Amino acid sequence: AQSVAQPEDQVNVAEGNPLTVKCTYSVSGNPYLFWYVQYPNRGLQFLLKYITGDNLVKGSYGFEAEFNKSQTSFHLKKPSALVSDSALYFCAVRDEGGADGLTFGKGTHLIIQP
Amino acid sequence: NAGVTQTPKFRVLKTGQSMTLLCAQDMNHEYMYWYRQDPGMGLRLIHYSVGEGTTAKGEVPDGYNVSRLKKQNFLLGLESAAPSQTSVYFCASGLSQPQHFGDGTRLSIL
Repeated sequence: AQSVAQPEDQVNVAEGNPLTVKCTYSVSGNPYLFWYVQYPNRGLQFLLKYITGDNLVKGSYGFEAEFNKSQTSFHLKKPSALVSDSALYFCAVRDEGGADGLTFGKGTHLIIQP
Repeated sequence: NAGVTQTPKFRVLKTGQSMTLLCAQDMNHEYMYWYRQDPGMGLRLIHYSVGEGTTAKGEVPDGYNVSRLKKQNFLLGLESAAPSQTSVYFCASGLSQPQHFGDGTRLSIL
């Protein structure tokens, strides 16, 4: 069975500072990893994904994520936070050979303080 | 605008009533999914479809049925609604994984 852990319910960052939202995963084979963002009363928006290749993946709105196989992590990062980045962030995983929909973490609220 | 459209956006049901949630996508995606989102639990997969005429169970399928008669539509049915099915329901579509989500249906079962 596959699983995702987002250890922080909430992350607070001052505007302009770098941000990190943590994610660790567990799958039986090679992982496909994803980050999504959800704004209030809206559906999820796809940010980025790792399938294979470079461990550093760049995505939408200046976000990037670093895949670390030995630590089974896929942390989301941004060099300089904006107040508009405040939202709920979800990490998700799928096993390379799996046909099911993604398994999501419980989400992390990111709050950027002016 | 292209994307995933869910109807209705809100609904209140009484225990035991039935209803159908409709999801429509205009991106010609093969894969479509139904998730439910509950506080502190993230999204959980109910059912999914890898193409017209196909459906499969996800993590929490009990109490729900689905149909994919047309490629662009994916219907989620509740035959006999229960208070435990109070949730926000999201439909998603994609080429091989959920990439585009609708804005959700807020369903309350009294």
